[in-house]
Amino acid sequence: GQNIDQPTEMTATEGAIVQINCTYQTSGFNGLFWYQQHAGEAPTFLSYNVLDGLEEKGRFSSFLSRSKGYSYLLLKELQMKDSASYLCAVVTNDYKLSFGAGTTVTVRA
Amino acid sequence: IAGITQAPTSQILAAGRRMTLRCTQDMRHNAMYWYRQDLGLGLRLIHYSNTAGTTGKGEVPDGYSVSRANTDDFPLTLASAVPSQTSVYFCASSEGAGGADTQYFGPGTRLTVL
Repeated sequence: GQNIDQPTEMTATEGAIVQINCTYQTSGFNGLFWYQQHAGEAPTFLSYNVLDGLEEKGRFSSFLSRSKGYSYLLLKELQMKDSASYLCAVVTNDYKLSFGAGTTVTVRA
Repeated sequence: IAGITQAPTSQILAAGRRMTLRCTQDMRHNAMYWYRQDLGLGLRLIHYSNTAGTTGKGEVPDGYSVSRANTDDFPLTLASAVPSQTSVYFCASSEGAGGADTQYFGPGTRLTVL
């Protein structure tokens, strides 16, 4: 089976930085996605990493270390609208996504 | 507006009844997927289709069936619903079935089986 771990909940203050960690042990690895999901809505794409290193996209950055089975999503200059669940998903050896349970981020004023 | 639509938005169903969840995309994507999302478990793949005319089983296929008669539509059928199938169901699509292809999700169907 697949094992993808991420914290259940995190709380941060508006304007701050939050780092969401994701560790994985999976049958194969063909990339890692991060999705954002607001309550009651569909997941939406944030980032994709397949090579080691940092990918920056505006206020959001995603990092991958394949040798450590580790990724993180960095959210900078937090805004109230960033309150959501963040889903880590690994592309396994059959090219299907295996999702973690998600991290709920609450941004406080 | 391009995207994925799902119907119904929500449904309450008696155990033992048959139910079909509908999913349609207008992006001409080759691959489509059905997931269920349960609290604390994350999204789990039920069935998928890499291209029209083909389907495959995901992680939790039991009690569900799918068909892919054309590119746009990918219905999910519960032949005889049970309470453990109470969940939020998301349909998704991607341009291809490769690892780097981003999946785009529909708005979901909230299903309650009593």
